[in-house]
Amino acid sequence: QQQVKQSPQSLIVQKGGISIINCAYENTAFDYFPWYQQFPGKGPALLIAIRPDVSEKKEGRFTISFNKSAKQFSLHIMDSQPGDSATYFCAASSKDTSYDKVIFGPGTSLSVIP
Amino acid sequence: NAGVMQNPRHLVRRRGQEARLRCSPMKGHSHVYWYRQLPEEGLKFMVYLQKENIIDESGMPKERFSAEFPKEGPSILRIQQVVRGDSAAYFCASSPRGQAAEAFFGQGTRLTVV
Repeated sequence: QQQVKQSPQSLIVQKGGISIINCAYENTAFDYFPWYQQFPGKGPALLIAIRPDVSEKKEGRFTISFNKSAKQFSLHIMDSQPGDSATYFCAASSKDTSYDKVIFGPGTSLSVIP
Repeated sequence: NAGVMQNPRHLVRRRGQEARLRCSPMKGHSHVYWYRQLPEEGLKFMVYLQKENIIDESGMPKERFSAEFPKEGPSILRIQQVVRGDSAAYFCASSPRGQAAEAFFGQGTRLTVV
């Protein structure tokens, strides 16, 4: 129940296209859903996050869509660029006693080709 | 303001040796989280520490692994008698409060056991 599922495992998108990564969860106690971006040899960095009281959040070319009833959320990268090539992790967290423990999905390796 | 500093970046150990991984949190951050990342997998939570206290070690193997975050100095993740299966990237993250989802990550230590 603590698992976060993520698909696809890898994704190849043409420059200028839309990249879509999907995630699903089971635990309804999750109340915060961040996405992280990780470049090779680097640590993950928080990219964008959403709470379940909204259905969509947009920051620049990055948009999170959230479907509370289906317990699913997705990341859309509009006008994908080669510089977006990285591994993307969805995650979920909930207040657990004194802090918000984060559960990560397995990641999606995105390659944007020119 | 320097980011989260981890050292060494790469560590090679023979089976049976000890591995010590160090993490200096960002200035002003008193909360540290350690994660392990295996190829094709997401980050798996290991342990959460505040200064001089272990808050949650539910993700840490019961044997051979230990962590500390002393009053002075970096947080240390210690792996005794390493085995091949310990080979992975180990990341630490830090936050000013107990908000793991908004923590900043270091660049990781890549441990190889030969």
